[in-house]
Amino acid sequence: QVQLKESGPGLVQPSQTLSLTCTVSGFSLTSYDVHWVRQPPGKGLEWMGGIWGDGSTAYNSALKSRLSISRDTSKSQVFLKMNSLQTEDTAIYFCRVSGSSDDYWGQGVMVTVSS
Amino acid sequence: DVVMTQTPVSLPVSLGGQASISCRSSQSLVHSNGNTYLHWYLQKPGQSPQLLIYRVSNRFSGVPDRFSGSGSGTDFTLKISRVEPEDLGDYYCLQSTHFPFTFGSGTKLEIK
Repeated sequence: QVQLKESGPGLVQPSQTLSLTCTVSGFSLTSYDVHWVRQPPGKGLEWMGGIWGDGSTAYNSALKSRLSISRDTSKSQVFLKMNSLQTEDTAIYFCRVSGSSDDYWGQGVMVTVSS
Repeated sequence: DVVMTQTPVSLPVSLGGQASISCRSSQSLVHSNGNTYLHWYLQKPGQSPQLLIYRVSNRFSGVPDRFSGSGSGTDFTLKISRVEPEDLGDYYCLQSTHFPFTFGSGTKLEIK
């Protein structure tokens, strides 16, 4: 049974770095792609980036300069790090797993950027 | 980046009626491998998005056949027949042919 759970701080100060973890179970990170998607309150979905089964990564053009996605396959964890946070980065952050015909989402974690 | 133009923004429908949502891309979504990576999601209030249709017209596991997807190239449509209360929410298209992946801006399906 595939499960994903996001974890991280609920509150981050402006200009600081956000660190989130997606812990997965029920599959191997080397066989599936894991993506991060965020949703500001009351707004639509934004694809942030992903890490593929072979370890390669791709990022949203608008976030590329301050975003990094990595993983620890031994711990079944995928990490998101984004620096220079601003209030507009306040959002629910989801991790999503995709395969050729599979698609699973975590419940999301709310991150508020505020002093 | 590929821009996904999704219409309408809001779609009032009667229960038992039919709904149609359009998604148009700024460039062809046909991948060099011949596949078209256009998918449809439903996000119910307070929930994570759930996949309905993948690669244009394939229903995801457990999705009722009231949902159907069609289209090609740059023009895609999601149709919902016999709308039920559990169909209400926000619908999004997603293209994963080109990097970076991009979502449509969403369509809110509401009861008329």
